[in-house]
Amino acid sequence: EAQVTQNPRYLITVTGKKLTVTCSQNMNHEYMSWYRQDPGLGLRQIYYSMNVEVTDKGDVPEGYKVSRKEKRNFPLILESPSPNQTSLYFCASSPWTGVGNEQFFGPGTRLTVL
Amino acid sequence: GNSVTQMEGPVTLSEEAFLTINCTYTATGYPSLFWYVQYPGEGLQLLLKATKADDKGSNKGFEATYRKETTSFHLEKGSVQVSDSAVYFCALTAAGNKLTFGGGTRVLVKP
Repeated sequence: EAQVTQNPRYLITVTGKKLTVTCSQNMNHEYMSWYRQDPGLGLRQIYYSMNVEVTDKGDVPEGYKVSRKEKRNFPLILESPSPNQTSLYFCASSPWTGVGNEQFFGPGTRLTVL
Repeated sequence: GNSVTQMEGPVTLSEEAFLTINCTYTATGYPSLFWYVQYPGEGLQLLLKATKADDKGSNKGFEATYRKETTSFHLEKGSVQVSDSAVYFCALTAAGNKLTFGGGTRVLVKP
């Protein structure tokens, strides 16, 4: 089944404890992206990657890191999480870059930072 | 920069009622417009899209028409069902794959 998977689905952690949220897609997509969803703000892009070893900042990159060593994986790293990073996170992928392409979303990771 | 504005919810309807969710946008160039739907506990799914002016996207009884003159992409459905209860997001891409989202509209359909 073609899909984007994320792990974990739920995570409660404490301020300053490094964590990684994994994202994997099995559709051989070139483009991958991370969004965070906050009430009333919709989804905002954190980072994106147009291909292996190519990553760039989105609208809200502060406090996050990513890597794209393999085409299928795009982990999101929080080196020192803070309470304002409590949010619902979505990974997405798309076959190629360009206006009009559908993005496929993972099921989401709900993160709480105490 | 680009932006999307959609009506705030929640919108509460009875089954078989008519649904409209307003969406307007600001963008440079010629954006593509999307409606994504998020069912409870799930990720977003593409509901419909339109890539140029006057295009009509449609899916599952939902429709939206790309109106360049009014910079709008309003979502409509003639007869909603309980299963349509979800959060609906209007979004656009204007360069590359970056999606710019509206704030989302929660729709609750009661039997």
